[in-house]
Amino acid sequence: DAGVIQSPRHEVTEMGQEVTLRCKPISGHNSLFWYRQTMMRGLELLIYFNNNVPIDDSGMPEDRFSAKMPNASFSTLKIQPSEPRDSAVYFCASSITGGREKLFFGSGTQLSVL
Amino acid sequence: DQQVKQNSPSLSVQEGRISILNCDYTNSMFDYFLWYKKYPAEGPTFLISISSIKDKNEDGRFTVFLNKSAKHLSLHIVPSQPGDSAVYFCAAMVRGGADGLTFGKGTHLIIQP
Repeated sequence: DAGVIQSPRHEVTEMGQEVTLRCKPISGHNSLFWYRQTMMRGLELLIYFNNNVPIDDSGMPEDRFSAKMPNASFSTLKIQPSEPRDSAVYFCASSITGGREKLFFGSGTQLSVL
Repeated sequence: DQQVKQNSPSLSVQEGRISILNCDYTNSMFDYFLWYKKYPAEGPTFLISISSIKDKNEDGRFTVFLNKSAKHLSLHIVPSQPGDSAVYFCAAMVRGGADGLTFGKGTHLIIQP
């Protein structure tokens, strides 16, 4: 099993640019989560999907952030426009249907907004 | 307001000795607790969990203890090995609740040879 696959691994962009992070969950996992890790706040849940439907997006910081899951094997997290304070590691994780406990994380995307 | 707190950002332990990582929580509704381990440039991986109906769960060298009255849990690693050097995240949740896992900020464990 390939595990959760995230791309890109690193993204460096300038303030104001659009950033799109991508995630492929583990096949058969129907729950998908986006987390953000920063030194100040640790690991924060941004949004999670169950069967491609957003269930809880209360962690999305503001309207500049949006996430989609068009099918069971793909999700995107978009930031438009990006700001320096968005710099963080963004993790995607998946789990079996309805499971919010034992998550399988991808390797993350290190985002730097200059 | 942090609901899950790991007050030690880092911990250094000699190889072969016991490592004890601590975690405190404030939400009395939490009923399931987990520890995740993270190596550099990788995502966190599940390590061990405990339900609030238990006060101890053991898996090989890893044991998690839960003290509900103190709202405190700890992870013991015995004996500590060099490969245990990593960041350890404590996490908690309300099973059946609407929210996902709430994570602490992590403790960086360094095993000294």
